[in-house]
Amino acid sequence: GAVVSQHPSWVICKSGTSVKIECRSLDFQATTMFWYRQFPKQSLMLMATSNEGSKATYEQGVEKDKFLINHASLTLSTLTVTSAHPEDSSFYICSAHDLRRPYEQYFGPGTRLTVT
Amino acid sequence: GENVEQHPSTLSVQEGDSAVIKCTYSDSASNYFPWYKQELGKRPQLIIDIRSNVGEKKDQRIAVTLNKTAKHFSLHITETQPEDSAVYFCAATRYNNNDMRFGAGTRLTVKP
Repeated sequence: GAVVSQHPSWVICKSGTSVKIECRSLDFQATTMFWYRQFPKQSLMLMATSNEGSKATYEQGVEKDKFLINHASLTLSTLTVTSAHPEDSSFYICSAHDLRRPYEQYFGPGTRLTVT
Repeated sequence: GENVEQHPSTLSVQEGDSAVIKCTYSDSASNYFPWYKQELGKRPQLIIDIRSNVGEKKDQRIAVTLNKTAKHFSLHITETQPEDSAVYFCAATRYNNNDMRFGAGTRLTVKP
């Protein structure tokens, strides 16, 4: 149980375009999902907390107008990188929180974004 | 907010030896401390966790200790194997995970 999927697993886009990444909890409802960014050989950095039915909470230094988060249902959160630039190239990982297991987070497989 | 520090950043051991990774945290309200193993390009995988109401937890070759007073916790891997080679992250958060922070990671290499 507690499976989280992400789509796409990798994407290449041109500078200036937008990219949408989906995060789904497959067998549980997730009122809260988290979006992380991981640069090569670095740790996971929390970008934002996505709450179903309300606005996301962004970490300091993360541009909310650039990284649009939508959590429209209890099983789906999306991250849209708008006007992507090469410096946005990174590994984006989502995780979901199952209320039945309040201590644990379940991670998606990640999305490798390359902006050319 | 929570701040987690992790040491060492790299660790190389001989197969069969033990490996210890240490983390400190800043928020005394944190009460859940998971450890994740991450292989290149893959998702972090939970390998063991500990809650603040216990001081030690063991699962086969892996153990975690927690010192709440000193605000530090450690991962111990015994009888290391080459397949233990990966990056390990500690994390600290509270019930309901709304503020999980990760350490910088430790790259463990187990030499055959």
